[in-house]
Amino acid sequence: GAVVSQHPSWVICKSGTSVKIECRSLDFQATTMFWYRQFPKQSLMLMATSNEGSKATYEQGVEKDKFLINHASLTLSTLTVTSAHPEDSSFYICSASGTPPVFGSGTQLSVL
Amino acid sequence: QKEVEQDPGPLSVPEGAIVSLNCTYSNSAFQYFMWYRQYSRKGPELLMYTYSSGNKEDGRFTAQVDKSSKYISLFIRDSQPSDSATYLCAMNQDSNYQLIWGAGTKLIIKP
Repeated sequence: GAVVSQHPSWVICKSGTSVKIECRSLDFQATTMFWYRQFPKQSLMLMATSNEGSKATYEQGVEKDKFLINHASLTLSTLTVTSAHPEDSSFYICSASGTPPVFGSGTQLSVL
Repeated sequence: QKEVEQDPGPLSVPEGAIVSLNCTYSNSAFQYFMWYRQYSRKGPELLMYTYSSGNKEDGRFTAQVDKSSKYISLFIRDSQPSDSATYLCAMNQDSNYQLIWGAGTKLIIKP
């Protein structure tokens, strides 16, 4: 079946640095990618929706200058957390649209 | 009121029991219904995917959708300790629309 490969699975960084998370669709083209954030014991919260070749649409309350999303090709979407701070520590998950949607394995970000 | 309601649990049952997980929703436009299983710090894993009303069975799992009542269920037969996880329901009206998620139910299967 369709697979979305998400890397890295775990990243620790210092406060003020930037972190890039990649999601690649394997053997299929993802025209739309969803990026989620999940805090412990909570459900997934949609951060943004990106369509290949166009600007991402961010959910209310999500800083687009902080969470940069690039969807330059049909097989690769990236989320860059810029100037990360401890409050950005969370579990980030990508998902490619489809019937049904396909999820990456998630990235645990810890900002020290 | 949330669009999708799901009891967060935890739900604790003995090994071998039949588990019933449920979600209710308010948007009658929803057509696609999914159940995902999520282990700690892992991405959601699709268990069942149903379009419109009806039942669907896959191994030990059965999904039911009752659109007239806006109620969906997931049944797990012969539950195993390895089934201990958080189960999330999700739904949308079109494959290009964002998923609307339940809160997730934490399930604990006791050996």
